[in-house]
Amino acid sequence: GDSVTQMEGPVTLSEEAFLTINCTYTATGYPSLFWYVQYPGEGLQLLLKATKADDKGSNKGFEATYRKETTSFHLEKGSVQVSDSAVYFCALRAYGQNFVFGPGTRLSVLP
Amino acid sequence: NAGVTQTPKFRVLKTGQSMTLLCAQDMNHEYMYWYRQDPGMGLRLIHYSVGEGTTAKGEVPDGYNVSRLKKQNFLLGLESAAPSQTSVYFCASSYGQTNQPQHFGDGTRLSIL
Repeated sequence: GDSVTQMEGPVTLSEEAFLTINCTYTATGYPSLFWYVQYPGEGLQLLLKATKADDKGSNKGFEATYRKETTSFHLEKGSVQVSDSAVYFCALRAYGQNFVFGPGTRLSVLP
Repeated sequence: NAGVTQTPKFRVLKTGQSMTLLCAQDMNHEYMYWYRQDPGMGLRLIHYSVGEGTTAKGEVPDGYNVSRLKKQNFLLGLESAAPSQTSVYFCASSYGQTNQPQHFGDGTRLSIL
């Protein structure tokens, strides 16, 4: 079945550091890909999405590019802030299927 | 700008008690979902619905029942609560199209003593 693999962390960075969280997937067909963020005590919020190969999703300084050839959707940010500390989930949705989530990656940004 | 609203936000039950968690969405979404989130286990799908009057089992349905009598509401029931059901429960909703994301509520924190 479809699956999502992501680095589980925790990832600890200093403020203004560069962030990469790797995400790879296995799916039949051409799924849509999503990154969600979960702040402490809250539900998941959509961060960005990409719906076809080579699409780049971006929001709040975060970016991810849909790479079909490597089945990847890595999340990047050039300069993280303390307020970016959260858990990040990679997810996919294939046609006629339910959403599939990765295990989540906890990010801690130190001042 | 309500989105997905879950009621209650916190609850403590004793083993064997029953309760119902309510989820309401105001976005006219066809699909609704119930997940549980446990440390180290990620999100696990309990039940879902693809439209009013329909329900289907997810990954971990045992011990739970659901109903979708109205399009905007999705109820999750625990008939006889067990300590293993202590968790954070999230409701989500979405349109049916593959390229549309899920929208999540803020969760219900449930403890079974």
